[in-house]
Amino acid sequence: NAGVTQTPKFQVLKTGQSMTLQCAQDMNHNSMYWYRQDPGMGLRLIYYSASEGTTDKGEVPNGYNVSRLNKREFSLRLESAAPSQTSVYFCASSDQGIPLYGYTFGSGTRLTVV
Amino acid sequence: QKEVEQNSGPLSVPEGAIASLNCTYSDRGSQSFFWYRQYSGKSPELIMSIYSNGDKEDGRFTAQLNKASQYVSLLIRDSQPSDSATYLCAVMSSTLGRLYFGRGTQLTVWP
Repeated sequence: NAGVTQTPKFQVLKTGQSMTLQCAQDMNHNSMYWYRQDPGMGLRLIYYSASEGTTDKGEVPNGYNVSRLNKREFSLRLESAAPSQTSVYFCASSDQGIPLYGYTFGSGTRLTVV
Repeated sequence: QKEVEQNSGPLSVPEGAIASLNCTYSDRGSQSFFWYRQYSGKSPELIMSIYSNGDKEDGRFTAQLNKASQYVSLLIRDSQPSDSATYLCAVMSSTLGRLYFGRGTQLTVWP
């Protein structure tokens, strides 16, 4: 029972490089989310997907793109990494039909852009 | 813009004391509220959810909700050093159906 799985766990990029963060959930949840967490800033929503086939911008979408590949998988892409994107990235999922269950988070990806 | 405000802390209490964590929110139509615990270097973990006014107890944890005052709190009784973590308040948006998080309150329980 894996829950939400994120890869990789750690990554160092050079400015201008691109990469994709992968997220998969095995709970049959409809909704998936990408957050970034910076010291003193809390969790900020980058993009979310309310259901398979839909994606929407969150609070801080600039510099990112997403793909909801299927119901299980939701990837986050950095096309041209910048030092300001150094952060910890969390993927989460939820069953919107059961609001009291909240979100289940993956273990996170710690990204450093140099 | 939905706002969720938490007392910034850090909060420090002795072992065995009651820790009180507070949260206010701006979306008057919100119906579901959550407390997450996040240990350093780990991901947030859901510890309490509440949607009715009043108190909800689960072991040493009590969540309190007052919708009229737009206020949610978390009480931790008999605090233990293992409770030392950052606690995140989250509120379900009444219009967008997704969570808004506060910035968290760091709690330290000293022996």
